[in-house]
Amino acid sequence: GQSLEQPSEVTAVEGAIVQINCTYQTSGFYGLSWYQQHDGGAPTFLSYNALDGLEETGRFSSFLSRSDSYGYLLLQELQMKDSASYFCAVEESNYQLIWGAGTKLIIKP
Amino acid sequence: DTAVSQTPKYLVTQMGNDKSIKCEQNLGHDTMYWYKQDSKKFLKIMFSYNNKELIINETVPNRFSPKSPDKAHLNLHINSLELGDSAVYFCASSLDPGTSVYEQFFGPGTRLTVL
Repeated sequence: GQSLEQPSEVTAVEGAIVQINCTYQTSGFYGLSWYQQHDGGAPTFLSYNALDGLEETGRFSSFLSRSDSYGYLLLQELQMKDSASYFCAVEESNYQLIWGAGTKLIIKP
Repeated sequence: DTAVSQTPKYLVTQMGNDKSIKCEQNLGHDTMYWYKQDSKKFLKIMFSYNNKELIINETVPNRFSPKSPDKAHLNLHINSLELGDSAVYFCASSLDPGTSVYEQFFGPGTRLTVL
């Protein structure tokens, strides 16, 4: 079967660093995407990794290890506006993303 | 300028009714999707169209019927609405299959409540 595992909830303090992990088991794999969704809003694309290693975009970085079927999203210098749900999604074929259940990130002042 | 738009934003209706949700994208993308997000925030793909052709049709009751009159529009018609259909429905688009399905652009969502 196909599955993506990510923690349901993570709590961190404003200004800190937090890592959201994602492990996957899918029939195909082209790459791993990350999306952010604020309450009441739509998912928005954050990053994509097709190859092993770290991709950095401002305060956000994403990592992939294909051999371990594992990736993570790293958020630095956390701000209150980063409170949201974060989804990992595997590009399983040319036509489809397989989505994780999402991680709710709670940031405390 | 809205990239992916959906109407209506909210839809409250009685069980047994038929309703439609419209979606339009002005990004020039070839592929469009319908997702259902339940109260636990799980995103489930329902349908995907590429250039007006159906390419993904997940296990969805046949009460749900997508229609794509052109590649910029993908509408969703739902017959005989049931309580379990209550959810947020998102339309999304991506540039073209094979190169960019990983980056999808979502509409604002339609919150459907069935009473």
